[in-house]
Amino acid sequence: DSGVTQTPKHLITATGQRVTLRCSPRSGDLSVYWYQQSLDQGLQFLIQYYNGEERAKGNILERFSAQQFPDLHSELNLSSLELGDSALYFCASSPFMAAASYEQYFGPGTRLTVT
Amino acid sequence: TQLLEQSPQFLSIQEGENLTVYCNSSSVFSSLQWYRQEPGEGPVLLVTVVTGGEVKKLKRLTFQFGDARKDSSLHITAAQPGDTGLYLCAGASSGGGADGLTFGKGTHLIIQP
Repeated sequence: DSGVTQTPKHLITATGQRVTLRCSPRSGDLSVYWYQQSLDQGLQFLIQYYNGEERAKGNILERFSAQQFPDLHSELNLSSLELGDSALYFCASSPFMAAASYEQYFGPGTRLTVT
Repeated sequence: TQLLEQSPQFLSIQEGENLTVYCNSSSVFSSLQWYRQEPGEGPVLLVTVVTGGEVKKLKRLTFQFGDARKDSSLHITAAQPGDTGLYLCAGASSGGGADGLTFGKGTHLIIQP
């Protein structure tokens, strides 16, 4: 158990819909990272928040957005969903701002299926 | 764009054999991490290597970071069925600041009893 929690575990929705994925980092960790894992692209970095502020963006679509709240939990919002958005979505947390500084601890993921 | 190429993509061997998987890039990384992921679960960190030429051992697993910090290898001695999983390498940018990890697509390892 990494100490990172994600809800829901599974999510099935239709194209065009909007969903929200939730992540609670390990106690004391200030950084939250979101990743998308698909069979063809592998694990790809989407976005990072550090202590409530956006710090880095990766391959995140404009239809996707995220935020980190004062209690440090984070939400990833996916809108106008397409079939290709079906994937596993992971969040990871770390005590530090820079990925180079320390390892990241991954949650169990949310499996999103868009039909 | 920094890319990490992992090889082989798939590897199936018998229990007791040795194996090596590779992680290569044309880019320099500040650090490189190895994760193991089982189906339906998140990646679990195995090791972080930071210094060029560094070698770390974790029981039967030996990790090496290339001298130029562009590549890494994972060697497993006397593989066991419990070693089965997806092995991912991930590099942290040498540019400093905040960013995510760059992951390779992984090596699917199956150890047959």
